[in-house]
Amino acid sequence: RKEVEQDPGPFNVPEGATVAFNCTYSNSASQSFFWYRQDCRKEPKLLMSVYSSGNEDGRFTAQLNRASQYISLLIRDSKLSDSATYLCVVNRYYGGSQGNLIFGKGTKLSVKP
Amino acid sequence: DADVTQTPRNRITKTGKRIMLECSQTKGHDRMYWYRQDPGLGLRLIYYSFDVKDINKGEISDGYSVSRQAQAKFSLSLESAIPNQTALYFCATTDLTGELFFGEGSRLTVL
Repeated sequence: RKEVEQDPGPFNVPEGATVAFNCTYSNSASQSFFWYRQDCRKEPKLLMSVYSSGNEDGRFTAQLNRASQYISLLIRDSKLSDSATYLCVVNRYYGGSQGNLIFGKGTKLSVKP
Repeated sequence: DADVTQTPRNRITKTGKRIMLECSQTKGHDRMYWYRQDPGLGLRLIYYSFDVKDINKGEISDGYSVSRQAQAKFSLSLESAIPNQTALYFCATTDLTGELFFGEGSRLTVL
């Protein structure tokens, strides 16, 4: 089992739809969690950090469930500009061959008119 | 100016050539990383460094070497490039919270 797993996608949704992504992690020592957005052939950029209490930024809501070891990202009222790949990142604070930051493979979202 | 700068942004080279990708950051972070991205495979870690005297191999370090010349500089070398090293390479830096700041990427093509 991979240490961080994401919904495989792709998610194809109409404009205005609500879409949710999940990401599960297997290492209970994981300390901090992030969602990144990556546009095609561009660098990933931070979308949101994820806190135990949950956090919201406009149309985006992130949740962390430590008991079940998953994080989620909810996008409401999808826009065409939300089309991208969304990467889940888990920080476990120690190294090893994967380093301390473990990436999911990403979930591709395509928002259609 | 970008917080993390990679050079070159694009490079085409031939099999067997030595290539260096350079990365510099103005964030003042100790931790720096080199990743490789291939279509369908996600980001894979090549090397990382937690401070100037600390270098660690990532999951795909074979065929690569790195040098941490200063806190702000972390370069990646391909001693003898081969075609399957054709990829998009990202440098990144982070503080202890884990938030990553990426460079814009270096697209390398090995013929």
